[in-house]
Amino acid sequence: GEDVEQSLFLSVREGDSSVINCTYTDSSSTYLYWYKQEPGAGLQLLTYIFSNMDMKQDQRLTVLLNKKDKHLSLRIADTQTGDSAIYFCAEGAGNMLTFGGGTRLMVKP
Amino acid sequence: DTAVSQTPKYLVTQMGNDKSIKCEQNLGHDTMYWYKQDSKKFLKIMFSYNNKELIINETVPNRFSPKSPDKAHLNLHINSLELGDSAVYFCASSRFPRTEETQYFGPGTRLLVL
Repeated sequence: GEDVEQSLFLSVREGDSSVINCTYTDSSSTYLYWYKQEPGAGLQLLTYIFSNMDMKQDQRLTVLLNKKDKHLSLRIADTQTGDSAIYFCAEGAGNMLTFGGGTRLMVKP
Repeated sequence: DTAVSQTPKYLVTQMGNDKSIKCEQNLGHDTMYWYKQDSKKFLKIMFSYNNKELIINETVPNRFSPKSPDKAHLNLHINSLELGDSAVYFCASSRFPRTEETQYFGPGTRLLVL
């Protein structure tokens, strides 16, 4: 079946850039998403990218998609302590989303 | 106003009991979902309903029975609760059952089975 993988943990210093990576296996994915989950909270959609795009920028967030390698990344510029959370990538095909296991981002002051 | 709400927020119960989790969305969406997030934070879809009809039913034990009385509500009833059912259950909704439609998530229901 479809598989989405992410590294478990990332630690950065405040003000640095964070890059969270994700790989997926389903070549029929039409949309790819990044969600943020803060402690004790639900999932908040951060951004998404259509599968025929290479890049999408939204303020401090930059999404890069390499469809050939099935690799998705989320870059957060000028990372703040409030960005500390778990970040999930998800790929969508048909009417289903498949989520990765989440990357826990820790931002040190 | 909360877009997608779930009750209860926390649920602690004994093994073998039957419990229900409720979900309501006030976004006017046609499609609603239930996801399970385990202790390792893996998030898996369980069910999806579109216009009160079941459209996705992943490999979920028969003890789990979703019910959609109307488009705005999707409840999850769990019979004979087991220890392995302990998890956070998230409800979500989208306008239509298509991938390009953004899914909006509720705050989650934290279920602990003792």
